Amino acid sequence: DTGVSQDPRHKITKRGQNVTFRCDPISEHNRLYWYRQTLGQGPEFLTYFQNEAQLEKSRLLSDRFSAERPKGSFSTLEIQRTEQGDSAMYLCASSHYASWRSFANEQFFGPGTRLTVL
Amino acid sequence: KQEVTQIPAALSVPEGENLVLNCSFTDSAIYNLQWFRQDPGKGLTSLLLIQSSQREQTSGRLNASLDKSSGRSTLYIAASQPGDSATYLCAVIISNFGNEKLTFGTGTRLTIIP
Repeated sequence: DTGVSQDPRHKITKRGQNVTFRCDPISEHNRLYWYRQTLGQGPEFLTYFQNEAQLEKSRLLSDRFSAERPKGSFSTLEIQRTEQGDSAMYLCASSHYASWRSFANEQFFGPGTRLTVL
Repeated sequence: KQEVTQIPAALSVPEGENLVLNCSFTDSAIYNLQWFRQDPGKGLTSLLLIQSSQREQTSGRLNASLDKSSGRSTLYIAASQPGDSATYLCAVIISNFGNEKLTFGTGTRLTIIP
């Protein structure tokens, strides 16, 4: 396992279609994060999982977005009825979280999925 | 709400020069600060992570410093090379009940001129 992987790397879709992205974290990592990055901006937090539990969702994540991590390993992010404003780079990151630590844990990012909605 | 600012937005320097990238944040109650590199159309590569109790970290030609009280961090790149051309992002973590989400700046686009 050499790092976080994401599939597909690029997705072009028409407005109104549904799309699904996949993220495979580093195998021993229990935390998985999704971020969205639009052109010229830094990434923004969308949601995160600890094992299979989705613990927080950003208000950026409208009800057209859903994320799962069914077995605490890979995760999927689905966007229903895509809109042109959904065009962005979707980034996944993973980390190993341990509550007893007094410091936060380094996040490692995948290559991203670039979504273009026509 | 935590805000992270990176100035300048773009920087061009001749090859071989040393340079400093700046990052400022509004809330000093951070746990970590991470510096990332992003090549065009690519994901993020972690460069350095500074814990809140630390003041600096070094890796090769890179040195990152952290001053929590003033809400500032700098990334120093020594002897710049054309391969250093990329966008550099800083990000902070304020642990909200265990959610270690990163809050990013908008980045500095660095160009090293051969």
